[in-house]
Amino acid sequence: KQEVTQIPAALSVPEGENLVLNCSFTDSAIYNLQWFRQDPGKGLTSLLLIQSSQREQTSGRLNASLDKSSGRSTLYIAASQPGDSATYLCAVPKNSGNTPLVFGKGTRLSVIA
Amino acid sequence: DADVTQTPRNRITKTGKRIMLECSQTKGHDRMYWYRQDPGLGLRLIYYSFDVKDINKGEISDGYSVSRQAQAKFSLSLESAIPNQTALYFCATSDPGQYQETQYFGPGTRLLVL
Repeated sequence: KQEVTQIPAALSVPEGENLVLNCSFTDSAIYNLQWFRQDPGKGLTSLLLIQSSQREQTSGRLNASLDKSSGRSTLYIAASQPGDSATYLCAVPKNSGNTPLVFGKGTRLSVIA
Repeated sequence: DADVTQTPRNRITKTGKRIMLECSQTKGHDRMYWYRQDPGLGLRLIYYSFDVKDINKGEISDGYSVSRQAQAKFSLSLESAIPNQTALYFCATSDPGQYQETQYFGPGTRLLVL
C-alpha cells in the first residue's frame, strides 16, 4: 500500500529565505509525483508534476526534484515571499499507472514579512 | 467561470439526514474524483469514476454513494449523515489524454453534521 509522508508538518521562515519541503513515498514504482498548493479553506492547485523518468521540474521560483530509487522528492522555494504562505501537498498515483492519487498530509508554510 | 464547481459551498445538517453534494465541470474531462479532507489526516479518496459507466470505491467509501449523471456531473451522497462525516469535501477532474495528467480541484464543500 502506497503511503506518502511529508516533513516538516509546519514551517515558518522570514521573507527572502530559500527553503526545502520534503516528501517520501513507500512504493518507488510510481508513474509520476505531483506537488500541490492549498490556500486556507480553498481547493488544491497543481504546481509541478514530475514524470518518473525525470529528475526535476522547475516553475519560476519553484524547483521539484525526484529520486525514485530512494522514494523521495523535494520542493525547493527560492527567495520566499509572504504570498507563498500556504499548505503544500505532494501526491503519487495509488497504483501502477497514473491515478487516483495518494496524498501526504502536507507542510503548512508561513513566510513572515 | 470556474472550471470545476461544487454546490453547496457550505452545509449544516443533522445526524440521520440524507444529503447530496454536487460537482460540475466544464473541462470536458472523463475522470472525476471525490475526496474528503480532515485536519491531521490529509486528503482521502472516497469514490472515483473514469467515465460515465465506471464507478470505483476509494479507501473510505463506507457511508457514501455516488452517481455519475453525465460526463460533466458527479454527485456524492451521504445516505444517513453522522457527525464523523464532518469534513471538507473536494471534487476533482483529470484528463488521461494529457501528457501530464494532473488533477483539477473544485473549491470544496464544508460539511458540518450535528
